[in-house]
Amino acid sequence: QVQLVESGGGVVQPGRSLRLSCAASGFTFSSYGMHWVRQAPGKGLEWVAVISYDGNNKFHADSVKGRFTISRDNSKNTLYLQMNSLRAEDTAVYYCAKDGVVQGWNYMDVWGKGTTVTVSS
Amino acid sequence: DIQMTQSPSTLSASVGDRVTITCRASQSISSWLAWYQQKPGKAPKYLIYKASSLESGVPSRFSGSGSGTEFTLTISSLQPDDFATYYCQQYNSSPLTFGGGTKVEIE
Repeated sequence: QVQLVESGGGVVQPGRSLRLSCAASGFTFSSYGMHWVRQAPGKGLEWVAVISYDGNNKFHADSVKGRFTISRDNSKNTLYLQMNSLRAEDTAVYYCAKDGVVQGWNYMDVWGKGTTVTVSS
Repeated sequence: DIQMTQSPSTLSASVGDRVTITCRASQSISSWLAWYQQKPGKAPKYLIYKASSLESGVPSRFSGSGSGTEFTLTISSLQPDDFATYYCQQYNSSPLTFGGGTKVEIE
């Protein structure tokens, strides 16, 4: 079955870096755009970034632009989120999600269980 | 950026009630709207795409409607499993944006 498993979360000090990974299985990873979405404690969903199926196009939310970078390795069926210059307001559960349309970037039809990032001194 | 506004933010209802949640976009998004359900401590679950197309396996008591700037999610007869928070999301243009959520509580 289609599965997304995030890893790499943890507790990190402000200003430091962290890289999240998302291992995909059960579908043709290289055919779908992929997203990162986050949810701060007690808050709603915030879309963070998207990458096209081939990795050639990316878009980041203004709140993370210049600090976070989405990437993918289609040979490893893995999505990444490099997070630099972390701030307290980046504390959240980070979800990896698959786009619902082949070669598109639209809605998210499959979600991972999430990985928690806590930025604190 | 397109702002998505949901109302109400909280809704109290009983099993069997008909429930309607509204989502408004700050500019026209045609029908490029999805709905999600999220339960505490769980990842969101996708319900509807293109404003009114039900994902396979989603109970038929869920329905979506609307186009342009105003959309609704309706649950025709609320079931115990439906108590959750619901989010709309536009995918007309980047950045993709979510509404603030509507929590459906037991009355």
